[in-house]
Amino acid sequence: DVKVTQSSRYLVKRTGEKVFLECVQDMDHENMFWYRQDPGLGLRLIYFSYDVKMKEKGDIPEGYSVSREKKERFSLILESASTNQTSMYLCASSPDRGQGNYEQYFGPGTRLTVT
Amino acid sequence: AQSVSQHNHHVILSEAASLELGCNYSYGGTVNLFWYVQYPGQHLQLLLKYFSGDPLVKGIKGFEAEFIKSKFSFNLRKPSVQWSDTAEYFCAVFFYNTDKLIFGTGTRLQVFP
Repeated sequence: DVKVTQSSRYLVKRTGEKVFLECVQDMDHENMFWYRQDPGLGLRLIYFSYDVKMKEKGDIPEGYSVSREKKERFSLILESASTNQTSMYLCASSPDRGQGNYEQYFGPGTRLTVT
Repeated sequence: AQSVSQHNHHVILSEAASLELGCNYSYGGTVNLFWYVQYPGQHLQLLLKYFSGDPLVKGIKGFEAEFIKSKFSFNLRKPSVQWSDTAEYFCAVFFYNTDKLIFGTGTRLQVFP
């Protein structure tokens, strides 16, 4: 069974802290994605990666960075957390190049609160 | 800019009622179309998808969607909803000309017994 896991379901951090959100997939997928989900705004793409050590900016990359050192792991980093980064963060993967050639498989999400 | 619109933000139905959720997208040439569902406390999962062929697509749990190219629409339907269909539903469109997948804002469906 396809599986995408995220390191935490809930996280509370203080303004200015550096935050790491980890995502691991066990499907040997090429592509991995980070989204944030906010009420009334749907899912917005932060960053994505088509291969190890490769990253591309999505629609809202400001304030975030990513790391993909291994194929199965894609990390989202908030260099200095701010209250407007309070959100649900979703990781996803898909099996081939391109965002829309295949369905994306999502993790359970991390609800991050920045106080 | 390319966009995906879900006009129904919150839908409330009784069990056995019929469901239709709207999804429209801006003009953008060739597209792939998806409906995802997020049940309470669960992760987002694929309900159905359209890549080519028969514009009437059947998905899991009795859902179907029809791609009407002339109307840039991909509406989701179910003839008789159940309480267990309570969830948030997202339409997503992949635009080949920009290589971008764009999600709609979601529709929250509540079904009461």
